[in-house]
Amino acid sequence: GAVVSQHPSRVICKSGTSVKIECRSLDFQATTMFWYRQFPKQSLMLMATSNEGSKATYEQGVEKDKFLINHASLTLSTLTVTSAHPEDSSFYICSASFRQTAYGYTFGSGTRLTVV
Amino acid sequence: AQSVTQLGSHVSVSEGALVLLRCNYSSSVPPYLFWYVQYPNQGLQLLLKYTTGATLVKGINGFEAEFKKSETSFHLTKPSAHMSDAAEYFCAVSRYGNNRLAFGKGNQVVVIP
Repeated sequence: GAVVSQHPSRVICKSGTSVKIECRSLDFQATTMFWYRQFPKQSLMLMATSNEGSKATYEQGVEKDKFLINHASLTLSTLTVTSAHPEDSSFYICSASFRQTAYGYTFGSGTRLTVV
Repeated sequence: AQSVTQLGSHVSVSEGALVLLRCNYSSSVPPYLFWYVQYPNQGLQLLLKYTTGATLVKGINGFEAEFKKSETSFHLTKPSAHMSDAAEYFCAVSRYGNNRLAFGKGNQVVVIP
C-alpha cells in the first residue's frame, strides 16, 4: 500500500535556528501534500497544502515566511520552521494524496519538534 | 464547507465490550468519510473509508462504520474491544473536487481490563 516516510521523528533545536522536516511518498506519486500541526490532546490543524511545482497554499493565521514549504517533486515535500521559538514546539504531520480524494490520504509518522 | 462533530473526548470501554464512537458531519454535497486511528507519537492510520456504494464499510482490526445519509452520521463500531484498541480516533470528511480533509476533535479510547 501507499507509504509516506517522514523524518526526523524527533528533533530538538535551539531558539533561533531552522529545522527542516521531510515527507516522502515511497511508492506513489503524491499530487498533493498536506502539512498539519497537532497540539497535545487536540485534533490536527491544517497548516498548508502544496501541489508539486506550485507554491503552497497556507491556511489563515499560518505564517508562510516562518513555515516554508517546498514541494519540488511528486515524491518529496519539505517543511522548514525558520527562526524557531519554543511556541513552535509541536507535533507536525504530513499527508499525501493521490489523484482524487476517494483514494484517501496517507499520513507520515509525524515529527516531534522541541525548541529549547 | 465540511465539518465533523465527535462528542465525548474520552471514551472508556471494558475489554470485550462494544466500542461505539459517534461521528456526525455536515456537507453540502455527498461526502467522502474516513476514520483514522492514532497511537502516541505516531501519524494517522486509516481504519476505513466510505466513498460510494455499500453504506456499511468494514475496516481493519475488526472495525466497521455505517454511512447514514438521513442522519448525516458515520459511527464507528467494534463488537469486542481489545486492549490494543486504546488510542485516539479521528473522524474526517472530504468531498470530490475539494481535497481538504476536515477532522473531528477526536476520541481518546481507554480500554479497561
